[in-house]
Amino acid sequence: GAVVSQHPSWVICKSGTSVKIECRSLDFQATTMFWYRQFPKQSLMLMATSNEGSKATYEQGVEKDKFLINHASLTLSTLTVTSAHPEDSSFYICSARDEERGGVYEQYFGPGTRLTVT
Amino acid sequence: GNSVTQMEGPVTLSEEAFLTINCTYTATGYPSLFWYVQYPGEGLQLLLKATKADDKGSNKGFEATYRKETTSFHLEKGSVQVSDSAVYFCAVPFSGTYKYIFGTGTRLKVLA
Repeated sequence: GAVVSQHPSWVICKSGTSVKIECRSLDFQATTMFWYRQFPKQSLMLMATSNEGSKATYEQGVEKDKFLINHASLTLSTLTVTSAHPEDSSFYICSARDEERGGVYEQYFGPGTRLTVT
Repeated sequence: GNSVTQMEGPVTLSEEAFLTINCTYTATGYPSLFWYVQYPGEGLQLLLKATKADDKGSNKGFEATYRKETTSFHLEKGSVQVSDSAVYFCAVPFSGTYKYIFGTGTRLKVLA
């Protein structure tokens, strides 16, 4: 139970194009989802908190116009990297909170999406 | 606010050795504490958790005890296996929010 999927698992795109990454909670409803970025051999950096039906809350230093987050339903959040550049290449991980299943603070993580911008 | 300090890696051990990965925290109140594991090329998986002081979380032979007197949540395993090679993250929620603060991660390599 408490499965979170991400699609695609990896993507290569050309500089200047946009890429959309999907995060889905498969067997629970997620009122809150989180998007993280992870650089090689480093910890996770929280980018934004996504709440269903409202605007995402971005962490300091994260460009909201570059990383567009939409949480259109209780099971789907999307991250769109707009006008991607090579420095956006990274491993993007989402997580979802299921208050009923795991308790208020527990998060369930997706498998990650590796983005490479050429 | 809350914070997490985690033991730096990498840690290299022989199979069947004893493992300790230190994690200390500062927090307002007594938040839940978590250990996550990340295998190569994958996302994070919850390894274990503890929701209150003196709780012991355990899973797959790993254990961690929530010690409020030392504000620690050290991860231990009595006999590691090659398959335990991964990166381990300690995490605590931000004060009053659902967001996590992650430790820096400790890379474990177990040699056969």
